[in-house]
Amino acid sequence: QKEVEQNSGPLSVPEGAIASLNCTYSDRGSQSFFWYRQYSGKSPELIMFIYSNGDKEDGRFTAQLNKASQYVSLLIRDSQPSDSATYLCAGGRALTFGSGTRLQVQP
Amino acid sequence: NAGVTQTPKFQVLKTGQSMTLQCAQDMNHNSMYWYRQDPGMGLRLIYYSASEGTTDKGEVPNGYNVSRLNKREFSLRLESAAPSQTSVYFCASSERGYTSGDRPYEQYFGPGTRLTVT
Repeated sequence: QKEVEQNSGPLSVPEGAIASLNCTYSDRGSQSFFWYRQYSGKSPELIMFIYSNGDKEDGRFTAQLNKASQYVSLLIRDSQPSDSATYLCAGGRALTFGSGTRLQVQP
Repeated sequence: NAGVTQTPKFQVLKTGQSMTLQCAQDMNHNSMYWYRQDPGMGLRLIYYSASEGTTDKGEVPNGYNVSRLNKREFSLRLESAAPSQTSVYFCASSERGYTSGDRPYEQYFGPGTRLTVT
């Protein structure tokens, strides 16, 4: 089992909808998690990190961490076509990356 | 500031050839990393350097060597390239090791090197 798991998608949502991206992890000792966005052919760029249980909001993005259930999620409100990309979850004591979820926002 | 730079951007090697991928950062970061990214596999850590003068193996170190030349530069060497090393290679840096202390430290990524081994 990979330390950090993501559904590869693609996840398709209409423009203006909420996109929900999920990630599970196996190491209960994991403290902090990152969400990166990667456009095709480009390098990953950080969207946000979270290291406390609960929600963290930044503009249209909300990260949620539930340590008891060992999952991390990223909500994107008012999705735009420009949000179409692969989203990588990363965390764990060795900073393991998930394989990424491809998001497609349909105009 | 250029951030993290990598050279070359593209490279084609024949099996058995050697090459060095160069990485430099101008953000005065202490920690640097080398990843490879294959389709459907996400990013996998090859080697990292928590600080100048130290290097450690990551998840997939076999077939690679690294050198932390100074605080700015971290190179990755393939001594005898194999087709299995065909991948996109990313260098990254962070102010400190990603969970030093009580807060996580963001990694900044270079533009990547697309390597094909035939």
